[in-house]
Amino acid sequence: AAGVIQSPRHLIKEKRETATLKCYPIPRHDTVYWYQQGPGQDPQFLISFYEKMQSDKGSIPDRFSAQQFSDYHSELNMSSLELGDSALYFCASSSSGLAGGLDTQYFGPGTRLTVL
Amino acid sequence: AQSVSQHNHHVILSEAASLELGCNYSYGGTVNLFWYVQYPGQHLQLLLKYFSGDPLVKGIKGFEAEFIKSKFSFNLRKPSVQWSDTAEYFCAVNGFYNQGGKLIFGQGTELSVKP
Repeated sequence: AAGVIQSPRHLIKEKRETATLKCYPIPRHDTVYWYQQGPGQDPQFLISFYEKMQSDKGSIPDRFSAQQFSDYHSELNMSSLELGDSALYFCASSSSGLAGGLDTQYFGPGTRLTVL
Repeated sequence: AQSVSQHNHHVILSEAASLELGCNYSYGGTVNLFWYVQYPGQHLQLLLKYFSGDPLVKGIKGFEAEFIKSKFSFNLRKPSVQWSDTAEYFCAVNGFYNQGGKLIFGQGTELSVKP
């Protein structure tokens, strides 16, 4: 079965640079979530989109922005990178049709961002 | 604020031992409950989930979990662990009122199974 695709899988950037992470949800999934997992930490919710509209926002820095496109893929744009942004960034997708909009989230392999 | 708590941060077991990992959440309303597993260097994979119905749910790889509403708990169990179960286990919850579908994770429990 098709899974969530994330690219790139690894990214190395310098401080103050920008980065763009991409997420391709499972086909027919209309909701995308972004999570950040620091070393030894649990995943923390950043932002989510439903039908190309932002549906919820968590602890996402103002330096970060995201959007969901007409084909439902999503991009997380990160500017003025800081050392503390080094983390694993997961994307998850779900279908809103079931469970009152709270269907199971399936996670992608993540993008490991290292800021030097 | 809603929170999820996993009591055991690191559990070490020998193969064939029984496993129980605790998970509690702080919210009185209806929630959805999940256990995810993260093998070293890999992404989160769904082990099992509870939305409604039978509070004893069975997942993949012989895992099961029991939802006890009165205790706000969703403990994960496996009768006999294998070396390949070595991984980090996360309990997660969503469905909090007016909080959308975002998952709130527990701190994770690292399981090490000795051969």
